[in-house]
Formats: sequence, C-alpha cells, structure tokens
Amino acid sequence: EAGVTQSPTHLIKTRGQQATLRCSPISGHTSVYWYQQALGLGLQFLLWYDEGEERNRGNFPPRFSGRQFPNYSSELNVNALELEDSALYLCASSLLENTEAFFGQGTRLTVV
Amino acid sequence: AQSVTQLDSHVSVSEGTPVLLRCNYSSSYSPSLFWYVQHPNKGLQLLLKYTSAATLVKGINGFEAEFKKSETSFHLTKPSAHMSDAAEYFCVVSGSFKTIFGAGTRLFVKA
Repeated sequence: EAGVTQSPTHLIKTRGQQATLRCSPISGHTSVYWYQQALGLGLQFLLWYDEGEERNRGNFPPRFSGRQFPNYSSELNVNALELEDSALYLCASSLLENTEAFFGQGTRLTVV
Repeated sequence: AQSVTQLDSHVSVSEGTPVLLRCNYSSSYSPSLFWYVQHPNKGLQLLLKYTSAATLVKGINGFEAEFKKSETSFHLTKPSAHMSDAAEYFCVVSGSFKTIFGAGTRLFVKA
C-alpha cells in the first residue's frame, strides 16, 4: 500500500513568487493535514482538510491557502513568498479525527 | 483550548541508560495523545498512541508512555537507550478538529 506522497521533494522559488505543493493521502483517508517545519521552530500546524472542506487552520497569514480535491488529494499554495517561508512542509493523512496520522517525506521549500 | 508542552528541548543519555522525554498537555476534554519520532532526513513515524484505553501504552522499539490525567502528563520512556534512538521526538494532542504538536525534544545518545 502506498504511503502519503508529496511532490515535489524540493522547490526553489524567489521572493514574491507563488509555490504550489501537492499531497496524495493514503487510499481511504479523507483527512489531510499540512505542517510547516522551519529550522528551530518545530512543527507548526497549517491547515486541515476533511471531505473536501477546510476544518481548521493554524496561525498563518492568508497567503497560505489550500484545497482538497474530490479524490482527497490536496494542494498547499503559498503566495507572495517571503524568505522566512523557507522550510520543510509536511503533509499527513488520517482516516478519522484522533486516529494515527501518516506523514509524507515532505517538500523542502527554499525561498531565495 | 488545547496545548502541549515538551519540557526539554534536548535530552542526552548514554547508551544502555533509561530515557525519559517529558510531555504535559492541557485539554478541556479527553484528548488523544501521540508520540512521533523523526529521524534525520526522514519523515515522522508514530511511536505510540493513547486513546482512552489502557493508561500505560506500549509502542514500537521498546518505548512506552503513561497517561496520567491527574498530572496532565504523557511522558515517554524507554528502559535502555540505543544509538539508533537518537532523533527528534514530538508529543501530540489531538481532538475537536485540532491537532497540536509539541516543540519537539531532540534525544542524543552517547556511546
């Protein structure tokens, strides 16, 4: 069974550009979570999608947005990139709330 | 409101000695609690989870954690550290449409 897959693995953008990160959950999982792991800041919750709807978002500005498609895959979009957006972005999926989340390998975003 | 606090940002132990990684949480209801491990350049892996069953939870690689409601703690322990245990560990509280990760504890294991 395939795990959570994220693409691309690495992404380099310049300040002001937009980045799009993609995530495919484990088959059958309807919940997708996005996290930012910046150096020295630990894991910060970004967004949670379930059944195509945004259930919750963390303390990030509106230029961080996303969506979940009918097949439960998800996109994270970051507009007007800033240098401090450089981080590892992790996607996770779970079957239900409060159950184990399975993580992808992440997308390393570098903003120059 | 929910929150989770990992009391130590770094823990250093010698190989073969016990490991204790501390986690305190707060929640207005009965949450689910998890410990995840992240090895360098690898994704996060679930170590163990508590979901209101037995208060002593056994996980993979010899780790276990005890849920103590009176102390609002969920500390992670292992009787004997191995070099391969060196990694970052995250305590997680989940419930009511929110999953919160602790800041992480980096475990160093000395030979």
